[in-house]
Amino acid sequence: AQSVTQLGSHVSVSEGALVLLRCNYSSSVPPYLFWYVQYPNQGLQLLLKYTSAATLVKGINGFEAEFKKSETSFHLTKPSAHMSDAAEYFCAVSEGFQKLVFGTGTRLLVSP
Amino acid sequence: DAGVIQSPRHEVTEMGQEVTLRCKPISGHDYLFWYRQTMMRGLELLIYFNNNVPIDDSGMPEDRFSAKMPNASFSTLKIQPSEPRDSAVYFCASSLEGGAYEQYFGPGTRLTVT
Repeated sequence: AQSVTQLGSHVSVSEGALVLLRCNYSSSVPPYLFWYVQYPNQGLQLLLKYTSAATLVKGINGFEAEFKKSETSFHLTKPSAHMSDAAEYFCAVSEGFQKLVFGTGTRLLVSP
Repeated sequence: DAGVIQSPRHEVTEMGQEVTLRCKPISGHDYLFWYRQTMMRGLELLIYFNNNVPIDDSGMPEDRFSAKMPNASFSTLKIQPSEPRDSAVYFCASSLEGGAYEQYFGPGTRLTVT
């Protein structure tokens, strides 16, 4: 079965600093990979997705992620954090091309 | 489009009572998913439907939970009887063609069972 592991339940950065949220996947087939963001008291919304096209995927709000097959990783980055980026971020992998398996989430804290 | 609609947004009930959560997916989406989110267990998939048919209910915690999708525009998740450990945020999501496509989440229903 497919799975994802998110390293670090909390990540703290200063405003303007690089954001790096880590995700490693386990999949027996070429995966479809996703990053979702959840703001307080809201549902999840898609940041970006990898579907076997370009390995560097650009998403909304300046986020991007790079698919690295050799490292089984799909880390999320943003060059400069903004206060509004504070939220919980979930990595997910498609299983059977019907449902998603989500990671445990990483809470991003941004300090002024 | 209004997005995925869930009702109620908040529900407080006493242990033993029946609870019904409702979801209206985005029009034209063939897949509907029910999730539960808690601090302890994170985000769990409970059940999902394809074209109104339940495909995988292996995430439903026990027989007290049931879900239906009588038509393409409406689904319910029922808990009977409810217990305090059912307290969580329940999300409904819909998707155009399954897991390889974006899932659109509703705002969630926060359930508190006292």
